[in-house]
Amino acid sequence: AQTVTQSQPEMSVQEAETVTLSCTYDTSESDYYLFWYKQPPSRQMILVIRQEAYKQQNATENRFSVNFQKAAKSFSLKISDSQLGDAAMYFCAITVDSNYQLIWGAGTKLIIKP
Amino acid sequence: SQTIHQWPATLVQPVGSPLSLECTVEGTSNPNLYWYRQAAGRGLQLLFYSVGIGQISSEVPQNLSASRPQDRQFILSSKKLLLSDSGFYLCAWRPPNSPLHFGNGTRLTVT
Repeated sequence: AQTVTQSQPEMSVQEAETVTLSCTYDTSESDYYLFWYKQPPSRQMILVIRQEAYKQQNATENRFSVNFQKAAKSFSLKISDSQLGDAAMYFCAITVDSNYQLIWGAGTKLIIKP
Repeated sequence: SQTIHQWPATLVQPVGSPLSLECTVEGTSNPNLYWYRQAAGRGLQLLFYSVGIGQISSEVPQNLSASRPQDRQFILSSKKLLLSDSGFYLCAWRPPNSPLHFGNGTRLTVT
């Protein structure tokens, strides 16, 4: 079975600064996908970034990047140049299943201070 | 383009009443479809997923059921709502070789 742990219930960062959200996971599979999703106050769930486990290169999407440490089973999200619109709940998730059943972390609430 | 529609956005229902939430996907065929529930301040819990018409897998035994009467339609139902059914319900679908895409969600309050 897979598990995902987000140990930071809440994080805050000053606007324009950089923040890193932590995520660790556990799986016995060698092939899997990892995700970060963002859920703003509107409650819509939005994909931020995806990482394939077989790829050693860390995924990046504009101001969002991940630090994927496969051996340590760690998948942190770095947000650079934080903006007010980045304020949201951030969820880390993993799937090893061909039917794409995601296992979700409990989420981290990110607060952006103006 | 491919889009997902979920309705209603908000619903207030009394205990013991029935429930029907609908989700449809446009612009694709034979998608994998999913129903998730999110309790306040919590992560997502997978309720049901479907890989085809009439094919429903249940992840959590509970007061809810799901049906897929058409290829791009996924319905979440209950015959009698409980207070514990309150929450935020999200429908999602997955294009081939792509991550999940979510609907806008339904906030259900059972009174």
